[in-house]
Amino acid sequence: QVQVVQSGAEVKQPGASVKVSCKTSGYTFTYYALHWVRQAPGQGLEWMALINAGHGSTKFSQNFQGRVTITRDTSASTVYMELSSLRSEDTAVYYCARSGYSSGYYFYIDYWGQGTLVTVSS
Amino acid sequence: EIVLTQSPGTLSLSPGERATLSCRASQSVTSNYLAWHQQKPGQAPRLLIYGASTRATGIPDRFSGSGSGTDFTLTIASLEPEDFAVYYCQHYGGSQTFGQGTKVEIK
Repeated sequence: QVQVVQSGAEVKQPGASVKVSCKTSGYTFTYYALHWVRQAPGQGLEWMALINAGHGSTKFSQNFQGRVTITRDTSASTVYMELSSLRSEDTAVYYCARSGYSSGYYFYIDYWGQGTLVTVSS
Repeated sequence: EIVLTQSPGTLSLSPGERATLSCRASQSVTSNYLAWHQQKPGQAPRLLIYGASTRATGIPDRFSGSGSGTDFTLTIASLEPEDFAVYYCQHYGGSQTFGQGTKVEIK
């Protein structure tokens, strides 16, 4: 069965960076894309970025361009999201989620990770 | 980028009642690339509907999706206690975005 398992909670100081991992299993890693979606406390879902696990190409929301880096390790079926220059407003649950893709189009998210709480506080 | 606007913000209903949730797009959605996700408190979201009207695996048939172009609807035919949650629409394809959510709460 498909599993998407994220790393544990993090506490960071303002200005620091955080790197969250997302390990997948139960399917062919390179046939799908992985998205990052965040949810601030009491707020809705905000799409951040994705990586095509096959090609390694990435797409970003304009809100995060330049501040987020997405990488993959195909041998470990794992993707990583690094967010830099953290500020208090980045406190949120960060979700990793899978979707299919074809010909430059990325499809609906069908599996979600459990989420990783990142707290930014001095 | 397509902006999705969901209404109402909150829907107060009793178990057994019908729920109708709306998702309006700022421009026409290509190929009905519109999905619905359910999120319960403290949990990750779960896919309910994709392609505007296709139920995901294991989703009960009381959930149905409809619409095209810019107007989409999620209908829950008869609310069960476990259906009280927040529902998000998602546009996918060339770009990705979520609506702000509709909370379905017990009246």
